[in-house]
Amino acid sequence: DVKVTQSSRYLVKRTGEKVFLECVQDMDHENMFWYRQDPGLGLRLIYFSYDVKMKEKGDIPEGYSVSREKKERFSLILESASTNQTSMYLCASSPTKGKNIQYFGAGTRLSVL
Amino acid sequence: GDSVTQMEGPVTLSEEAFLTINCTYTATGYPSLFWYVQYPGEGLQLLLKATKADDKGSNKGFEATYRKETTSFHLEKGSVQVSDSAVYFCALSATGFQKLVFGTGTRLLVSP
Repeated sequence: DVKVTQSSRYLVKRTGEKVFLECVQDMDHENMFWYRQDPGLGLRLIYFSYDVKMKEKGDIPEGYSVSREKKERFSLILESASTNQTSMYLCASSPTKGKNIQYFGAGTRLSVL
Repeated sequence: GDSVTQMEGPVTLSEEAFLTINCTYTATGYPSLFWYVQYPGEGLQLLLKATKADDKGSNKGFEATYRKETTSFHLEKGSVQVSDSAVYFCALSATGFQKLVFGTGTRLLVSP
């Protein structure tokens, strides 16, 4: 089974802190994605990566950055957390030759106080 | 740009009732279409998919048919169970792209 693991299920941080959300997949997938999920807005793509050290902005990249130093790991970074970044964050991965099916982690619920 | 529109929820049904969740899309070309399901406290998982017009995706008693003429991909199930309570997301991926575009999700609540 494909496994996408997010390092934390719940996280509480203070305004201005630097926050790292980690995601690891074990299926050698080329593509990895970070979304945030908010009520009434569905899933919105923050960043994605097609390969190691490659990254592309999604629909809402402002206030976020990402790092992909190894194929299996994709990190989302909040440089200076703000209260409007309180949300559920979902990581996903997909193989390039896989009919665009994405496999999701369980999510990290981040609260910024 | 590409977009997906889903009916707003929550949809509240009694066990064994018939379910329809509407989904329409806007896209250029011939996108692939998906339904994902999110159970409480979990991430999303693929429920079913269709990659070309008139394809029917099916899984766990759920079905959806890719209707290009009406740009729709409605989700149906003949008899829902309490365990089907979840949030359902319709999504598309444009030809040649790995990104998915999601609808806003529809919460389904099934009571005994």
